Amino acid sequence: AQSVTQLGSHVSVSEGALVLLRCNYSSSVPPYLFWYVQYPNQGLQLLLKYLSGSTLVKGINGFEAEFKKSEASFDLTKPSAHMSDAAEYFCAVSGGSGGYNKLIFGAGTRLAVHP
Amino acid sequence: GAVVSQHPSWVICKSGTSVKIECRSLDFQATTMFWYRQFPKQSLMLMATSNEGSKATYEQGVEKDKFLINHASLTLSTLTVTSAHPEDSSFYICSARQGAREYEQYFGPGTRLTVT
Repeated sequence: AQSVTQLGSHVSVSEGALVLLRCNYSSSVPPYLFWYVQYPNQGLQLLLKYLSGSTLVKGINGFEAEFKKSEASFDLTKPSAHMSDAAEYFCAVSGGSGGYNKLIFGAGTRLAVHP
Repeated sequence: GAVVSQHPSWVICKSGTSVKIECRSLDFQATTMFWYRQFPKQSLMLMATSNEGSKATYEQGVEKDKFLINHASLTLSTLTVTSAHPEDSSFYICSARQGAREYEQYFGPGTRLTVT
């Protein structure tokens, strides 16, 4: 069965510092990988996705992620944090026994950005 | 583009009553819609997958008689929580997928249900 593990339920960075949110997955087939952001009391917004091709994926708001098959990871980074980046971030995977129809979400990482 | 709306955004109902939540794809036709449940400070758990014109497929452990899903058109899916109880209080989020080869899901803003 597929699963997603997000390392660190809370991450705190200073404004202007590097943001690194970790995500590991398990999948028996080549996965499709996604990062979503959720602001309080709102739905999810797609930041970026990896389906195939280049392993470095660029998304919105300056975020990017790198798919590392050997490490089964899909870490999210942003060179310089902004106060508006404070939110909950979810890594998700599809594929495997559930097919590419279903998304399996990680537990989420709450990002705090302080001045 | 690819906007999904939900109505209502929040609802309070009394225990034992039923409540309907609507999910609409505003600018595209959604062949597949999904319903998720999110508990406070937790991740999203898929409840069911619905395809237009056919019965929904429920995840293990989700009571299909309690959570009725109807996907009557390519732009509308509804979730009805029947005989609601306080433990059904949660944040319900829908998502929609545009086509069979589209793997991206577009999420609605969510509906917060409180059962008193």
